[in-house]
Amino acid sequence: DVKVTQSSRYLVKRTGEKVFLECVQDMDHENMFWYRQDPGLGLRLIYFSYDVKMKEKGDIPEGYSVSREKKERFSLILESASTNQTSMYLCASSLSRELFFGEGSRLTVL
Amino acid sequence: AQSVTQPDIHITVSEGASLELRCNYSYGATPYLFWYVQSPGQGLQLLLKYFSGDTLVQGIKGFEAEFKRSQSSFNLRKPSVHWSDAAEYFCAVGAQEGNKLVFGAGTILRVKS
Repeated sequence: DVKVTQSSRYLVKRTGEKVFLECVQDMDHENMFWYRQDPGLGLRLIYFSYDVKMKEKGDIPEGYSVSREKKERFSLILESASTNQTSMYLCASSLSRELFFGEGSRLTVL
Repeated sequence: AQSVTQPDIHITVSEGASLELRCNYSYGATPYLFWYVQSPGQGLQLLLKYFSGDTLVQGIKGFEAEFKRSQSSFNLRKPSVHWSDAAEYFCAVGAQEGNKLVFGAGTILRVKS
C-alpha cells in the first residue's frame, strides 16, 4: 500500500513564525501535491511538484513556498505565518492521476 | 480550466436507505473523474474513478457512480447506507493533460439510525 506520511498532525504557531510542514511518500511517485482544506471550500491546490527540485504554483500559492530536494519528500513552508493560514493541510502523491493522501496537518496560527 | 460543483453541503439519510450524492463538472473534453471519502480526522481515500469506457463504475464499500456526458455529471450512489458511511465526500475532476485534480466543496453525509 502507498503510504504518505505527514510528520505533524497538529501544530500551533504564532503570527510571524516560520512553519515547516513535512510530507514523505514511500512509493517512488513522481508527483506530489500540497492542498489546503477549509470548510465549504473543499481542497484547494497550493503547490505541486512533478520532479525533484521542480515545482509549480497551484491556485492559492500566496504566502507559501515549497521544497523538494529528494523524490520522497515534499515540504510546505509558511515564511511568516498569519492567522488566515489556520487550516488543514493535506499532502498527496501520485503516479498518474490518482492521488494518495496523508492524514493531514491541522495548523492553528494564533 | 475545469471546475466541480457539489450542490449539497449536507445530506442526512436513514440507515438502510439509498443514497445519491450529486457532482457536476465543467470541462471541455472528456474528464478524469474521482470520488474520495474523508472520515473525521483522516485523509482522503479513493472510492472510485472514471477514466474511460463503461460509464457505470464500481468502487469500494459498495459505492458506484455513473458518468453522464450529456449532463456533465458523475453522481455517487449506494443502494443501502450503513452508519459507517457517515463522512465527507469529495468529487474531483482532472484534465486530459497534467496531473492536477480540482475538487468540489464536499458533501457531508449524516446517517441516522
